[in-house]
Amino acid sequence: DGGITQSPKYLFRKEGQNVTLSCEQNLNHDAMYWYRQDPGQGLRLIYYSQIVNDFQKGDIAEGYSVSREKKESFPLTVTSAQKNPTAFYLCASSFARSEQYFGPGTRLTVT
Amino acid sequence: KNQVEQSPQSLIILEGKNCTLQCNYTVSPFSNLRWYKQDTGRGPVSLTIMTFSENTKSNGRYTATLDADTKQSSLHITASQLSDSASYICVVIFSGGYQKVTFGTGTKLQVIP
Repeated sequence: DGGITQSPKYLFRKEGQNVTLSCEQNLNHDAMYWYRQDPGQGLRLIYYSQIVNDFQKGDIAEGYSVSREKKESFPLTVTSAQKNPTAFYLCASSFARSEQYFGPGTRLTVT
Repeated sequence: KNQVEQSPQSLIILEGKNCTLQCNYTVSPFSNLRWYKQDTGRGPVSLTIMTFSENTKSNGRYTATLDADTKQSSLHITASQLSDSASYICVVIFSGGYQKVTFGTGTKLQVIP
C-alpha cells in the first residue's frame, strides 16, 4: 500500500449522518486524490488537491467535502446530501503528474 | 460512452496458462497509459507505465503493449498463477495541465487450479 493509510477499512453509518474517511501519506507527495469505486464502473474522481490549503472538485463532488490543512492528510467527509454513499472509497497520492499510489480503501455502508 | 473500454469483462483461465487483456481508448491528447492490478477489497497497484512513444513494457510475467495509432493496449500475463486472480485496470492520462486520469472498468481475472 506504499505509505498511504486509510482508516477505517470498513465503516457503517445510518442514513442522514455525516461520516469522515481518513487518508494519510508519508511519501512527501504534493498531490492527493479521492476516488469512488462502484461495481462495474471505473474509478471516479471526487476531489483532488495539488497543494496544501487548496483542493478542486472532481467529476462527482456533490455531497462530499474535503480539507487539506497538512501535506500528509486529506480527509473526505461524506455528507447526508450524498444520495448513494455506499461504495468503496480509495485515496491516492502522487508527485505532480506522476504515478498515483493508492491506499487500501475504505468500504462505506450506509443503511 | 466510456473513454477507456476494457475487454473481456471477466475471464477464467487454468493455472499455468497465458492470457491477454485488452484496452481501447479514445482519450486525446494522450500522455501515458498504465495498467494496475487490484486485489479484491484492496487499492490498485501499478504494474506498468508507458508513454506514447513506447510500444512495450514488461514487469516480470506481465507485458504491456501499446499502439498509439490505433489507441489500443494489451496486457499479457504469462504462466498464470493463482495469485494473479484480481481485477486489472487500464488507466489513460491526458497530457497537459493537471493530469486528467480516466479509468477503465477493469477485467476480472480468475485463475483456477
